[in-house]
Amino acid sequence: GQNIDQPTEMTATEGAIVQINCTYQTSGFNGLFWYQQHAGEAPTFLSYNVLDGLEEKGRFSSFLSRSKGYSYLLLKELQMKDSASYLCAVRDGSGNTGKLIFGQGTTLQVKP
Amino acid sequence: NAGVTQTPKFRILKIGQSMTLQCTQDMNHNYMYWYRQDPGMGLKLIYYSVGAGITDKGEVPNGYNVSRSTTEDFPLRLELAAPSQTSVYFCASSGRLSSGGEYEQYFGPGTRLTVT
Repeated sequence: GQNIDQPTEMTATEGAIVQINCTYQTSGFNGLFWYQQHAGEAPTFLSYNVLDGLEEKGRFSSFLSRSKGYSYLLLKELQMKDSASYLCAVRDGSGNTGKLIFGQGTTLQVKP
Repeated sequence: NAGVTQTPKFRILKIGQSMTLQCTQDMNHNYMYWYRQDPGMGLKLIYYSVGAGITDKGEVPNGYNVSRSTTEDFPLRLELAAPSQTSVYFCASSGRLSSGGEYEQYFGPGTRLTVT
């Protein structure tokens, strides 16, 4: 079956670092995505990993271990505007459809 | 480029009514997707299309239909609306895939539908 797990909620302090974990069990794998979704808005793309290791984009980094079925999103120097839901999604590896399987999302609250 | 646009933004339907949610993209993307998102949940795939004239079911297709007569448009049809279809609906598109290519999905602003 297809299963993607993320913590439901996290809280962190402005200026701190937070790590959001994602574990997955899927029948195929063709890359892992992280999306950010502010309340009442559409998801927007943050990062993509297809090979093991760390990808860094400014204050955001994403890590992947395919053998462990594990990824994390690291947010540094947290700002109030980072309060949002963070969605982990695995791209289906079967066929050339680009289908994404989403986790339920992690709601991050950044406090002053 | 406007990206992915959806209409309407909000709609209230009575049980048993029908409606079409419109989705248009101007990025010449081959791949288009319809998702629904229930409160506090992730996105569930309803239908998808890999090109004009080609559609296929996703994870939760029951109660919905789609068509893809052009590259730009991918409307979602609800027949006989039910309260279980109360949700936020997102349309998304992505470029042609190569093996392992990034080609992230771009999302429209969503349609908030209530069925009472």
